Amino acid sequence: QKEVEQNSGPLSVPEGAIASLNCTYSDRVSQSFFWYRQYSGKSPELIMSIYSNGDKEDGRFTAQLNKASQYVSLLIRDSQPSDSATYLCAVNVGAGRRALTFGSGTRLQVQP
Amino acid sequence: DARVTQTPRHKVTEMGQEVTMRCQPILGHNTVFWYRQTMMQGLELLAYFRNRAPLDDSGMPKDRFSAEMPDATLATLKIQPSEPRDSAVYFCASGKDRGLYNEQFFGPGTRLTVL
Repeated sequence: QKEVEQNSGPLSVPEGAIASLNCTYSDRVSQSFFWYRQYSGKSPELIMSIYSNGDKEDGRFTAQLNKASQYVSLLIRDSQPSDSATYLCAVNVGAGRRALTFGSGTRLQVQP
Repeated sequence: DARVTQTPRHKVTEMGQEVTMRCQPILGHNTVFWYRQTMMQGLELLAYFRNRAPLDDSGMPKDRFSAEMPDATLATLKIQPSEPRDSAVYFCASGKDRGLYNEQFFGPGTRLTVL
């Protein structure tokens, strides 16, 4: 079992729809969770961080964390073609560890 | 606009040559990470520094890779000798170590091709 798992996609949604991206992790003691967006040929860009159970909203983005289920998700409301990218889930796997373990990423395509 | 900078952005070299990649972390950040990204393996940690001290280099092939922080504004990653399987994009990231709240910000990367 991979430490951080994501569906590779592509996930295709129409413009204006809600895109839902999911991630599961294996280590129960993990405490810090991040979503990065990566455009083709570019570096990962941090878009959300979440540390406690529940929802965290920032503009059109909402991160959701459920530690009991070891599940973190990212919702993108009113999806735009400019949101088309690969979304990487990253976790500080293990207690006190600062380095990130990344999922393989989910490719999102927003159709105009 | 504070950013992580990396040089060179692209490097093409021949097998057996030494490669040095440099990273300038964001001013005030005390953690520096080196990651490597390939299509097959995704993003993987190579090394990690806090306050210039190496804390984790378990992902780095020890026989050919080395990472250092000569000072707080410079981190280096060296490969000697380079091999074709080292072809990848190498990212440097930096952050402030605030316990749980350790967001990391990536540089633009060095795209390495070893022929």
